Amino acid sequence: QVQLVQSGAEVKKPGASLKISCKTSGYTFTSYTLHWVRQAPGQRPEWMGRINPGNGDTEYLQKFQGRVTITRDTSATTAYMELSSLTSEDSAMYYCVQHWYFEVWGRGTLITVSS
Amino acid sequence: QAVVTQEPSLTVSPGGTVTLTCGSSTGTVTSSHFPFWFQQKPGQAPRTLIYDTNDKHSWTPARFSGSLLGGKAALTLSDAQPDDEAIYYCMLSYSGARVFGGGTELTVL
Repeated sequence: QVQLVQSGAEVKKPGASLKISCKTSGYTFTSYTLHWVRQAPGQRPEWMGRINPGNGDTEYLQKFQGRVTITRDTSATTAYMELSSLTSEDSAMYYCVQHWYFEVWGRGTLITVSS
Repeated sequence: QAVVTQEPSLTVSPGGTVTLTCGSSTGTVTSSHFPFWFQQKPGQAPRTLIYDTNDKHSWTPARFSGSLLGGKAALTLSDAQPDDEAIYYCMLSYSGARVFGGGTELTVL
């Protein structure tokens, strides 16, 4: 079955960068879009962007343009999301989500930004 | 960025029917916004129920249905069950950018 295993929780300092991984299995990695969605405590989810693992094409929410980079390693069937210039407002659970239709969600990676 | 609006909270009786709506600050919601509906329970990741207005995943209970209603996207729950208590989020697409609504907290009581 499809599995998305995300990297573990992290605590970051303001101004730092983060890189979260999403290791996939159970399907053809290059055939399905991967989205990144974050959700701060008690807040609505927020779509950050997506990648087509087949060709590497990406699309980002304008809010994050210049600060977010989504990449993939096809040999490792893993996607990555990097976010720079962190502030406390970036503290959230970050999810990778497989498929154009958001079929399978990872368990999330909790990111805390604190001095 | 567009703002997507939902009812903050609704209550439905067990066995009853309720409709949740999803509006857009840009105007009428159409099928070109490819509306999604997600269910989220405490401590869990969202779960996708409906995509592209009214298409269901294999795990979506038949009592959930999606539509366009009065210029908004709508999620109708028929024969509500206690297990349906959750927050429901809609998501609309704006030329590729996806925007979530603020969520509707549904109580089955």
